[in-house]
Amino acid sequence: GAGVSQSPSNKVTEKGKDVELRCDPISGHTALYWYRQSLGQGLEFLIYFQGNSAPDKSGLPSDRFSAERTGGSVSTLTIQRTQQEDSAVYLCASTSRTGTEAFFGQGTRLTVV
Amino acid sequence: AQKITQTQPGMFVQEKEAVTLDCTYDTSDPSYGLFWYKQPSSGEMIFLIYQGSYDQQNATEGRYSLNFQKARKSANLVISASQLGDSAMYFCAMREVIASGGSYIPTFGRGTSLIVHP
Repeated sequence: GAGVSQSPSNKVTEKGKDVELRCDPISGHTALYWYRQSLGQGLEFLIYFQGNSAPDKSGLPSDRFSAERTGGSVSTLTIQRTQQEDSAVYLCASTSRTGTEAFFGQGTRLTVV
Repeated sequence: AQKITQTQPGMFVQEKEAVTLDCTYDTSDPSYGLFWYKQPSSGEMIFLIYQGSYDQQNATEGRYSLNFQKARKSANLVISASQLGDSAMYFCAMREVIASGGSYIPTFGRGTSLIVHP
């Protein structure tokens, strides 16, 4: 596609439910990142995929968070048993193997009530 | 320790004037890249400018320029001739070359809120 696409754009969920957030990167981009941005804060790195290599999960805050990337393209971030502190905007970005800047999607605003 | 430090939580500038947004970074990697992104109230992250650690010249992109002082580990963004549409959050980011597998994970600062007054 023309840009990084994320869905849904907004998600309201009840505490304790599981949610799935989707990211469709720019076609041909091998690297994909997930970040979390809490209100008024900077971007917190969550997980990084590069081609077929094992993902870098060092930023995931707990074992309730997981992500996968199927076929080297679309990625899904799953949050199990959501908590109120998970409320944030979840941003996905992609870049080419030798690219400089990361291109960001519009984000998914998650609200846990 | 913070890898990217933006010490100005908020900045104000008069329309048509220039403004400098500060960014300092911390890395022991000789090869790295520095980025600035703009995030308007709509939330999207817009790439503005990039500086590689080996680049001899300071990067420029239209009204944006990067004042790169490698010895001081600073990469300040200069916006010339500010416009009302420049009002937004501005994030400085750094990408290092991480030895294991050659991955590139941009690390972001906390951001600076810029308000341009008419």
